Amino acid sequence: GAGVSQSPRYKVAKRGQDVALRCDPISGHVSLFWYQQALGQGPEFLTYFQNEAQLDKSGLPSDRFFAERPEGSVSTLKIQRTQQEDSAVYLCASSPGQAEGSPLHFGNGTRLTVT
Amino acid sequence: KQEVTQIPAALSVPEGENLVLNCSFTDSAIYNLQWFRQDPGKGLTSLLLIQSSQREQTSGRLNASLDKSSGRSTLYIAASQPGDSATYLCAVRNNYGGSQGNLIFGKGTKLSVKP
Repeated sequence: GAGVSQSPRYKVAKRGQDVALRCDPISGHVSLFWYQQALGQGPEFLTYFQNEAQLDKSGLPSDRFFAERPEGSVSTLKIQRTQQEDSAVYLCASSPGQAEGSPLHFGNGTRLTVT
Repeated sequence: KQEVTQIPAALSVPEGENLVLNCSFTDSAIYNLQWFRQDPGKGLTSLLLIQSSQREQTSGRLNASLDKSSGRSTLYIAASQPGDSATYLCAVRNNYGGSQGNLIFGKGTKLSVKP
């Protein structure tokens, strides 16, 4: 497909488990973003990549959160030792070229539930 | 710190009505403002992107305006239809420092259009 693809769509993890969430951006898009959306809230920024470089990770809530994009395409968001407060929808977005002037294209997200 | 507020939080209107959704932001130093639509269980669909130098953008029945100096944007929906029912999110990108990709979102307005 032509859009941003995220997998899995749903993930249930027991507290303390590690999870990995995948994002396939639109082909050729340079910029990639991860956002966290809690129920009833707007998305909140987690981290930003330009190609394989992670230029901003200021939104990652703790050192349990780690993101990578080693070849400048697919990205993985990893959460270690999950906690109940990590339950949210994790959204990935991409945009072509430099980020400032371009609209973001979002995937459908991964809904993470930590029990 | 930039804060984005959307009023009302929820809105229910009969089909055919024209309506206005409001968005306000505390710091006028923005690069652009984007309106999104989010359907339940889905990601975000970009509706309109207004650059800081622009006053408005139009797409079909949608018109978004931007008054940067007063920190306000409105999304006008003409002749509303049941298919317009969704949550509408406003997001701004700051024009200084930090991440080039850091969109700051409001909590959204949940719109319901009754047939």
